[in-house]
Amino acid sequence: DVKVTQSSRYLVKRTGEKVFLECVQDMDHENMFWYRQDPGLGLRLIYFSYDVKMKEKGDIPEGYSVSREKKERFSLILESASTNQTSMYLCASSSRGRNTEAFFGQGTRLTVV
Amino acid sequence: AQTVTQSQPEMSVQEAETVTLSCTYDTSESDYYLFWYKQPPSRQMILVIRQEAYKQQNATENRFSVNFQKAAKSFSLKISDSQLGDAAMYFCAYRSLVTTREEYGGSQGNLIFGKGTKLSVKP
Repeated sequence: DVKVTQSSRYLVKRTGEKVFLECVQDMDHENMFWYRQDPGLGLRLIYFSYDVKMKEKGDIPEGYSVSREKKERFSLILESASTNQTSMYLCASSSRGRNTEAFFGQGTRLTVV
Repeated sequence: AQTVTQSQPEMSVQEAETVTLSCTYDTSESDYYLFWYKQPPSRQMILVIRQEAYKQQNATENRFSVNFQKAAKSFSLKISDSQLGDAAMYFCAYRSLVTTREEYGGSQGNLIFGKGTKLSVKP
């Protein structure tokens, strides 16, 4: 059974803290993505990676960074958490090629207080 | 840039009835995929159905079917014989197949999502 696993389902952090959201996939996928989901806004792409040590900014990268040191793991980093980063974060992965499907993790609901 | 619009924030359907969720998109590309994803209260995003732009035939998956109108840039989802388990957020998504990063194996388009439609199913 294919799997994308996010390290936490719920997380509460304080303003100014450095926050790490971890995502691991077991499908040997090349591509990995981090999305942010907010009510009424849908899913918006934060960062993505097509290969180990490769990263590219998505539509809303400000206040975030990422790390991909191993193929199976893609980390989202909030350098200094702020209350406007309270949201649901979804990780996804997919293989290369034309007819591929993205698989999603179960999401991390982050609250910054 | 491509955009995806879901004009119905919420929809409701009676159990066993049929409901259609709307999606329109904007693109200048001719080669792409369209998807419908379902997100139940468990938050797990599940692929419902996909459509390749070059295929004229509308995709179907059991009770789920699409009405793909390429010229009108419309991609609606029809759910027949609605069940209580169909209650969820539904997201329409677009994926470009234009090759942008050859060094990473070619077509790598990211998913672009609409804002979603919350579907309620009444018993």
